[in-house]
Amino acid sequence: DTEVTQTPKHLVMGMTNKKSLKCEQHMGHRAMYWYKQKAKKPPELMFVYSYEKLSINESVPSRFSPECPNSSLLNLHLHALQPEDSALYLCASSPDWDTDTQYFGPGTRLTVL
Amino acid sequence: GENVEQHPSTLSVQEGDSAVIKCTYSDSASNYFPWYKQELGKRPQLIIDIRSNVGEKKDQRIAVTLNKTAKHFSLHITETQPEDSAVYFCAASTRGGYQKVTFGTGTKLQVIP
Repeated sequence: DTEVTQTPKHLVMGMTNKKSLKCEQHMGHRAMYWYKQKAKKPPELMFVYSYEKLSINESVPSRFSPECPNSSLLNLHLHALQPEDSALYLCASSPDWDTDTQYFGPGTRLTVL
Repeated sequence: GENVEQHPSTLSVQEGDSAVIKCTYSDSASNYFPWYKQELGKRPQLIIDIRSNVGEKKDQRIAVTLNKTAKHFSLHITETQPEDSAVYFCAASTRGGYQKVTFGTGTKLQVIP
């Protein structure tokens, strides 16, 4: 398996809902990333996990909660989101946290009502 | 932190012509420069990259040049085809500590048949 997968593809949620985004890779990569991308903008880094430990939190609000249950799986738990959180959420992985090339998943299109 | 500027923001070319996208970066410690292509609604895909110890790299119709002294790097696409139409992001990355990729603002390339 040579790609990063993400589920669901689309998600619509209310501001009081709790939902989770899932990312999976089976390339043996040890670093995984969450990005947020608004329309016509570049991806913005949210979190970095290295060897299943949270390495970087780019000052993301606590309504976004990442989790890395194992080396292949990365979750993003969502709670009490705001309409401005609507965006494409991209997961990426790289062989190691100081290895350059990042490979992106297809993203989850999130709409917060 | 790193700042990456990208120009132009939009670019229209006739099929068969060449397209050039330019980026500048601010952090002299940056040493890896990937280029991503993102089609509408799809994931960013790495199309070519260059490291700071190399001045130029070519892959079929795509080439990237790097001027470390001026902190400039450019993407060149020759013999453009309609399927080259997409948004292109340049990026700069610094190894060591942790690897953070800073993206440029993107160039929307339209190839007119």
